[in-house]
Amino acid sequence: QQPVQSPQAVILREGEDAVINCSSSKALYSVHWYRQKHGEAPVFLMILLKGGEQKGHDKISASFNEKKQQSSLYLTASQLSYSGTYFCGTVPAGGFKTIFGAGTRLFVKA
Amino acid sequence: DTGVSQDPRHKITKRGQNVTFRCDPISEHNRLYWYRQTLGQGPEFLTYFQNEAQLEKSRLLSDRFSAERPKGSFSTLEIQRTEQGDSAMYLCASSFSGEMNTEAFFGQGTRLTVV
Repeated sequence: QQPVQSPQAVILREGEDAVINCSSSKALYSVHWYRQKHGEAPVFLMILLKGGEQKGHDKISASFNEKKQQSSLYLTASQLSYSGTYFCGTVPAGGFKTIFGAGTRLFVKA
Repeated sequence: DTGVSQDPRHKITKRGQNVTFRCDPISEHNRLYWYRQTLGQGPEFLTYFQNEAQLEKSRLLSDRFSAERPKGSFSTLEIQRTEQGDSAMYLCASSFSGEMNTEAFFGQGTRLTVV
């Protein structure tokens, strides 16, 4: 039931791009993306509600393919502040609770 | 409103003792969630409330765990007869339920250490 995230870890140089993938074995109603820095609470990034929907703000965007039950988070021109662990959370069709993946650790170096 | 607040931030307890944590959600949020997070893992769902009703409880949650939200506002999570395996960060989150899911906002968590 837990969504699968890939890759498990990414190391980038400042300015490089990254893609984090999230896939579920269940039909999904929505996908949520969060970023968590060490010792802090997860911080909401965005929610995607419709199949094929794409959203973005600043240089972080995401897509949701409802038919494939997959979502991807795109980070472009990464900044040092992007470092942290990114979690996707999936809400199954007909459900209310968000189930989180194991996370993708992103480290951006200068 | 300053967001979701949790108390205490840290708790060290001896094995076998009972502990209780409190969560104050964002005031207009009717949904409240409890999650547990261990090092290197994502938040693991424990239970959630809509207003004062506990609508779902994880099967992973033993009978030693109980949660309440008596007036549909703050919530408490109690762990009885704590075990070392209970050591984790306990996160509370709240959201507003309308016609669609909305984002959940997390508190800073309560870090429990059972010695």
